[in-house]
Amino acid sequence: DAMVIQNPRYQVTQFGKPVTLSCSQTLNHNVMYWYQQKSSQAPKLLFHYYDKDFNNEADTPDNFQSRRPNTSFCFLDIRSPGLGDAAMYLCATSTPLGDYGYTFGSGTRLTVV
Amino acid sequence: AQSVTQLGSHVSVSEGALVLLRCNYSSSVPPYLFWYVQYPNQGLQLLLKYTSAATLVKGINGFEAEFKKSETSFHLTKPSAHMSDAAEYFCAVKNSGGDKVIFGPGTSLSVIP
Repeated sequence: DAMVIQNPRYQVTQFGKPVTLSCSQTLNHNVMYWYQQKSSQAPKLLFHYYDKDFNNEADTPDNFQSRRPNTSFCFLDIRSPGLGDAAMYLCATSTPLGDYGYTFGSGTRLTVV
Repeated sequence: AQSVTQLGSHVSVSEGALVLLRCNYSSSVPPYLFWYVQYPNQGLQLLLKYTSAATLVKGINGFEAEFKKSETSFHLTKPSAHMSDAAEYFCAVKNSGGDKVIFGPGTSLSVIP
């Protein structure tokens, strides 16, 4: 089945230690998104790629970076995780207009110790 | 600017009872509307979408929603709740074109045996 896969499902990292979360898709969608979701809140968009074009949200901290080396893969890098960065990180994909909805991965639960 | 409100952050229903989750949106143009479900420690899954075809939309797991332009609403219903319906539900809106999806704050549904 075509899908969006996130690895790992659970990640524990130390305060200030760089961490990378990965996302892959078999849907061949042009657009890939990274969301941050804290407990009992709606997902918050961090950035998205339209093909290789990177679009950063204005309020996304500089601590968060992303790479998309090819259509299938996208990475979220957190350069110096703080305790406030502990959250569920969701990757999603869509067709260019997004009018058919987004396909989400299962998420990566990040814990910062 | 688009926005989405979901009346009731927590809704409890008895097993077998009607489920009604409310969603109202503000949009300057006819929107695309979506309902997503999120189970604990999972990503979001698309339940159904309205894209300017039929105003009554049927989705997965027995859910349906009706688009009412005059009320700017897109409420989600299910005739008979099942224990497995307990989850977080997010309403989302998107204008046509390249605008991003805007998620509502979510409604947590509990089903009481």
